Amino acid sequence: NAGVTQTPKFRVLKTGQSMTLLCAQDMNHEYMYWYRQDPGMGLRLIHYSVGEGTTAKGEVPDGYNVSRLKKQNFLLGLESAAPSQTSVYFCASSYHPRTEGMDGYTFGSGTRLTVV
Amino acid sequence: SQQGEEDPQALSIQEGENATMNCSYKTSINNLQWYRQNSGRGLVHLILIRSNEREKHSGRLRVTLDTSKKSSSLLITASRAADTASYFCAMTTDSWGKLQFGAGTQVVVTP
Repeated sequence: NAGVTQTPKFRVLKTGQSMTLLCAQDMNHEYMYWYRQDPGMGLRLIHYSVGEGTTAKGEVPDGYNVSRLKKQNFLLGLESAAPSQTSVYFCASSYHPRTEGMDGYTFGSGTRLTVV
Repeated sequence: SQQGEEDPQALSIQEGENATMNCSYKTSINNLQWYRQNSGRGLVHLILIRSNEREKHSGRLRVTLDTSKKSSSLLITASRAADTASYFCAMTTDSWGKLQFGAGTQVVVTP
């Protein structure tokens, strides 16, 4: 099925551990995004990418790094996890709004991360 | 601070009734979108309305946009139990398309 796939779906980390969240899309979307969702706060943009090999900071980038080595994949890394990073992480992708017209995002099903 | 705010935060209705939720935002937008999120799932795109549009329909959904008041509303007609979800408004403020989300409205539709 076409769409956005996130792995893993659940993870528990100890403070200070590192991990990488993987996002893969098969829709040939140019843009990809990482959001975090916390209760009562909606979604906040962590980092995004406007094409292969590019990344940019969003609203809450501190403590995270990203890479987009291939167009279909967008990785989110936590180098030294902190309890404040306990959240649900969503990846999304979209067409290039300037060249292909603005349309909705396609979201993955999320990764629930707990840092203890 | 968040660009968008939804009102009400929670809404409980019976099947067959209409559900209306509102979204207010702070700065000029390029377009505004509405998403649905079922419990424990990702967000699903419902509808997009551009800044030069005033009203848009999609099935049982009706969206309005008033740029002079910086507000939008989502109406779900003839609600069904399957409409139980959280609904989020999101907007872009530039041509690069980055979405900024509100905190959402939780809608519960009881049979």
